[in-house]
Amino acid sequence: EADIYQTPRYLVIGTGKKITLECSQTMGHDKMYWYQQDPGMELHLIHYSYGVNSTEKGDLSSESTVSRIRTEHFPLTLESARPSHTSQYLCATTQGYGYTFGSGTRLTVV
Amino acid sequence: GESVGLHLPTLSVQEGDNSIINCAYSNSASDYFIWYKQESGKGPQFIIDIRSNMDKRQGQRVTVLLNKTVKHLSLQIAATQPGDSAVYFCAENGGSNYKLTFGKGTLLTVNP
Repeated sequence: EADIYQTPRYLVIGTGKKITLECSQTMGHDKMYWYQQDPGMELHLIHYSYGVNSTEKGDLSSESTVSRIRTEHFPLTLESARPSHTSQYLCATTQGYGYTFGSGTRLTVV
Repeated sequence: GESVGLHLPTLSVQEGDNSIINCAYSNSASDYFIWYKQESGKGPQFIIDIRSNMDKRQGQRVTVLLNKTVKHLSLQIAATQPGDSAVYFCAENGGSNYKLTFGKGTLLTVNP
């Protein structure tokens, strides 16, 4: 039973469209993260948040933005999708030490 | 810069054999390490972790070994099963409790 939820699981969208990837957790954790992962490759941190109204950019430059208005919700937005944004996006949360990951959103921009 | 990397990108074993997946890290500030398993189409799942004040930790069919002298981490899976087929990632915390750095994955394939 998942405590962290990502929607949609799969998304195919045209170039130039604005999209928002949803991530919600029911564990009450303050810390949440977005990682980008190409198939079979390592995870790259693109955004993180240590609490409400706190957001930081990660190690990998990304054209996406995030918001943290509520503890349980950490959406990621792409204002204008491009084919280079095609990837898997993983959301994670922690209360310290290990992360719990969502199932991911596989995004394809055509 | 600091990095975490795996020695072998792929590993193929026979069902019932033991598997060993290796990981090298370079951030001497790291004091916490985790192994994750990622099956196709899913997010990474926690397998086992170890703190730097330990050199070995055992779980169910899995053992993690930490050698701080050479900055090396390994995951041993006993009696490997087809369900163990997945990509395995090591991660280290760089001295921070809240940010993990992941290495390149190792694809483990278990042949029946």
